[in-house]
Amino acid sequence: DAKTTQPTSMDCAEGRAANLPCNHSTISGNEYVYWYRQIHSQGPQYIIHGLKNNETNEMASLIITEDRKSSTLILPHATLRDTAVYYCIVVPQAGTALIFGKGTTLSVSS
Amino acid sequence: DAGVIQSPRHEVTEMGQEVTLRCKPISGHDYLFWYRQTMMRGLELLIYFNNNVPIDDSGMPEDRFSAKMPNASFSTLKIQPSEPRDSAVYFCASSLGTGGSPLHFGNGTRLTVT
Repeated sequence: DAKTTQPTSMDCAEGRAANLPCNHSTISGNEYVYWYRQIHSQGPQYIIHGLKNNETNEMASLIITEDRKSSTLILPHATLRDTAVYYCIVVPQAGTALIFGKGTTLSVSS
Repeated sequence: DAGVIQSPRHEVTEMGQEVTLRCKPISGHDYLFWYRQTMMRGLELLIYFNNNVPIDDSGMPEDRFSAKMPNASFSTLKIQPSEPRDSAVYFCASSLGTGGSPLHFGNGTRLTVT
């Protein structure tokens, strides 16, 4: 399975965009990029996923580079409630179990 | 949609006792996953099922742990006998195993073994 590399922590000011990077240089053609987040003491929450194209939903945007070796999760207007650990995960195929790394701790401050 | 339901939310037990954690997946989902989370080891996959059949249990730490899924709407994770090092938050998740389907997690069971 392709592994991911994320920064340990990031800070963001409330109202600004939060851009969380993820490297997955060994990703293969049929592997999805998933993003989850975990707010303290809650279960992980699905944010967004993509295969090749950029994706956007009500929570975030996902930008995948053309060579698919890295991606960026964008929270366009971060709020205090976006403070969480964000996990970038590469999944070989639908239905395969997710293997979580350590993720990026995002701290949003006012 | 009620989401994935886990019970109990908190469990405190003494070493050596049997512990049973319960999970009700989202109706219609055909995959069910059990994870464990500790500060030291993060989120670890224990076992997962597809259509009630265990697919991969390589993450189950030892024989004291067992998981069952008797039907599509219920799963249990049992620890017998429990030990203090089993203290963790245990999460259940379910998904619809078609293209690009995300996992939906429950709120977890916080287990404390004294």
